This record gives sequence, C-alpha cells and structure tokens, in this order.
Amino acid sequence: GENVEQHPSTLSVQEGDSAVIKCTYSDSASNYFPWYKQELGKRPQLIIDIRSNVGEKKDQRIAVTLNKTAKHFSLHITETQPEDSAVYFCAAGGNQFYFGTGTSLTVIP
Amino acid sequence: GAGVSQSPRYKVAKRGQDVALRCDPISGHVSLFWYQQALGQGPEFLTYFQNEAQLDKSGLPSDRFFAERPEGSVSTLKIQRTQQEDSAVYLCASSFTSGANTGELFFGEGSRLTVL
Repeated sequence: GENVEQHPSTLSVQEGDSAVIKCTYSDSASNYFPWYKQELGKRPQLIIDIRSNVGEKKDQRIAVTLNKTAKHFSLHITETQPEDSAVYFCAAGGNQFYFGTGTSLTVIP
Repeated sequence: GAGVSQSPRYKVAKRGQDVALRCDPISGHVSLFWYQQALGQGPEFLTYFQNEAQLDKSGLPSDRFFAERPEGSVSTLKIQRTQQEDSAVYLCASSFTSGANTGELFFGEGSRLTVL
C-alpha cells in the first residue's frame, strides 16, 4: 500500500508567524491529498484537499502545494492563531487513504 | 443522521473477550472506511467498503479482526480474543463518492477500546 511520511512531528510558532508541514508519498497512483485537523479527543476534520491535476490550492490562511514529480505535498498556514493549535494529518490515496503520523502544532500567543 | 455515528464511544474489555464496534455512516454515503488510531499516531487503514462490498481488507492486523457491512449502510468491526495491543481508538469514516473520485472523508468520534 501507500506509505506517507510527515514532518515535523512537532512544531511551535509564534502567533502571526507561518507554519509549514511537509509530507511525502510513495504510490504514484495516488491522486487525492487531503489534510485533516484533529483537536484533542475530537474527530479528524478536513481543512483542505488537493487533487493530482492541481499544483496549488488556497483557502484564506491555508494553502496546499503538490509536486507530483517529487511525490511531496505541503500545508502552509499563514498568520497563525492560537486556535490553529492541533494535530494535523496529511493523507494520500485514491480508493482508500493512508495517513501520515501527524504534526502537533502549537501556536504561542 | 447529521454525521457519522459510532458506538460504543468507550469500551473496556478483558484480554480474550470479543468486542463489536458499530458505525452508522452518513445516509447515502457509498464508501466506508475503518481506521485504527493508537495514542499519538496517525490513523492506520484497516479496511474499506464500497456499498456492501469489502474491496480492501489489507490493513486488518490479524484474522482476529473482521468487518462487515451487509446492507451497504451500517458497518460492524469485530475483534475476537482481544489482546492488549488492540487498545486504540477505532475511527470510522464515510464518503459520498467512491473509487477514483473518492472525496472528503467524514469521520465519526471514534470508539476507544481499552483491553486490560
């Protein structure tokens, strides 16, 4: 199956700074790359996704970039706020989805 | 219902007991997924259904794990002869689309299994 690696595992930023989380995948057949945010004790919730026919997608302070050749994709959060603090998971797949190990983001007020 | 519903939310089992975890997906969702999430880890893929057909069960860790979705809606994940290493949160997710067009996964709150 697909192998998804995610870095860093923890990330602390000052409020207002940007945060970047990177993922790589192994299966060139993967065509859908979602990012999920999971707060402590809660269910994962989709924050942004991108398909393989698009290189970049932006939604307000959140953007995702995809490099199919290098098989990596990244999440960018600008102007971070304390409520952005959570664990973020990337995923890759087509019919089924494989998740990265997560990045615990802390935004320091 | 409004979202994916899982029950029970919490389950404590003695080692060797059998457990059954239920998932009610969003009505009309074709695809249903089960994931295992250990503490501090990402969700690990277990199995995937398209309607009532189990298309992929490659993630099930052993033959003690069994999943079904007989009528293409509610799904049950059964774990026989539970072991301590089975302790985790079991997440169910559903998606309206399937196959190459599978889109957003909607997750349930999860069932937290603790095996003593």
